[in-house]
Amino acid sequence: ETVLTQSPAALSLSPGDRATLSCRASQSVHTSLDWYQQRPGQAPRLLIYDASNRATGIPARFSGSGSGTDFTLTISSLEPVDSAVYYCQHRATWPLTFGGGTKVEI
Amino acid sequence: EVQLLESGGALVQPGGSLRLSCAASGFTFTNYAMNWVRQAPGRGLEWISSITAGGANTYSAESVRGRFRISRDNSKNTLFLEMNSLRADDTALYYCARGADVMAAATIDYWGQGTLVTVSS
Repeated sequence: ETVLTQSPAALSLSPGDRATLSCRASQSVHTSLDWYQQRPGQAPRLLIYDASNRATGIPARFSGSGSGTDFTLTISSLEPVDSAVYYCQHRATWPLTFGGGTKVEI
Repeated sequence: EVQLLESGGALVQPGGSLRLSCAASGFTFTNYAMNWVRQAPGRGLEWISSITAGGANTYSAESVRGRFRISRDNSKNTLFLEMNSLRADDTALYYCARGADVMAAATIDYWGQGTLVTVSS
């Protein structure tokens, strides 16, 4: 099983700040990695697929990078609506797994 | 508009069974793989099971293998999760989620709002 480790576990920043979230895989997942945002009380929403592609309707302030075992989600200029938990998920092999999440407070 | 509406969640005793359903609309159901993902109260996301668009291939997490079974009825645009031998640690919000392709390991691009399963005596 490929374990995804997200860091930091929590982040407290101000509007306009830059947020950098990390996801590290225990073995290579190539670029088969996606990022999701889950706001309080809501279902998750796809942000980034295949490591670096923004999903439909996702603002340009969200970007993803990485390949192999190290991945980054960057939010370039935080807005209050970005307060959420962010999860990475791989789909390179079975079982699919999610990281433990990074909580971003603004 | 893609819509996924889960139902069937309930309070059930340990050892009991439950069948979850997910009614899909707003897209051609037969063209997409489907998934179940759960979230225990206050915890993170856990992938449970996936099924290919045609239903021929299924995949499940070790934690539910042999107890849960994913299936679909493409004539009714509905996804199912049969849950047996339920345990307290199965208590969670169960999400139905669409894969972005016919293959089961596709990106999950849409999620339902979830249905709550509580296992308790």
